[in-house]
Amino acid sequence: AQSVAQPEDQVNVAEGNPLTVKCTYSVSGNPYLFWYVQYPNRGLQFLLKYITGDNLVKGSYGFEAEFNKSQTSFHLKKPSALVSDSALYFCAVRAPTSGTYKYIFGTGTRLKVLA
Amino acid sequence: DGGITQSPKYLFRKEGQNVTLSCEQNLNHDAMYWYRQDPGQGLRLIYYSQIVNDFQKGDIAEGYSVSREKKESFPLTVTSAQKNPTAFYLCASSISSGRRTYNEQFFGPGTRLTVL
Repeated sequence: AQSVAQPEDQVNVAEGNPLTVKCTYSVSGNPYLFWYVQYPNRGLQFLLKYITGDNLVKGSYGFEAEFNKSQTSFHLKKPSALVSDSALYFCAVRAPTSGTYKYIFGTGTRLKVLA
Repeated sequence: DGGITQSPKYLFRKEGQNVTLSCEQNLNHDAMYWYRQDPGQGLRLIYYSQIVNDFQKGDIAEGYSVSREKKESFPLTVTSAQKNPTAFYLCASSISSGRRTYNEQFFGPGTRLTVL
């Protein structure tokens, strides 16, 4: 069965420091991977996606993510965190060869950037 | 929140009542989805629709119903059979949901449903 794991419920980082939000996945076949951000009482906003090609993907607001096939990971990163980055982050996966049309979401990681 | 609107923003339901959550998109997307969000559980798929007049059950469809009579609209009804409906409900759309589609989803702002 397909699954996505976000092992940390919360990540705290000081403003200006690099941040990493972790995501691992389990799918059959090649995955399509996505990161979304959610601010309080709002819908999710798309940040970036990996489909194929370069393992380092750049997205909105200075975020990037690295696809690692051997570790089945897709960690979200940013070189220098801002207080305004504080939000809930979701990783999602889609496996087109698995026979399902669904996007599978992780449980979310709350990022708190401290001033 | 893109071109997807959800209404109302807050909704209160009494025991035994059916309520309908509205979702409208002007993105010309074929596929639409309904998710339920509960703290610590991420997003769970209720229903999805790949095309007008067609929809499929997701992982937690019991107690919910949908219709897709127009491309732009995908309303969700929470029936009295849903025993624990208090949650944040999110509607989303994507260009298509074909087997090899890699398009991201666009989300509405959500409806917070509370049972009184």
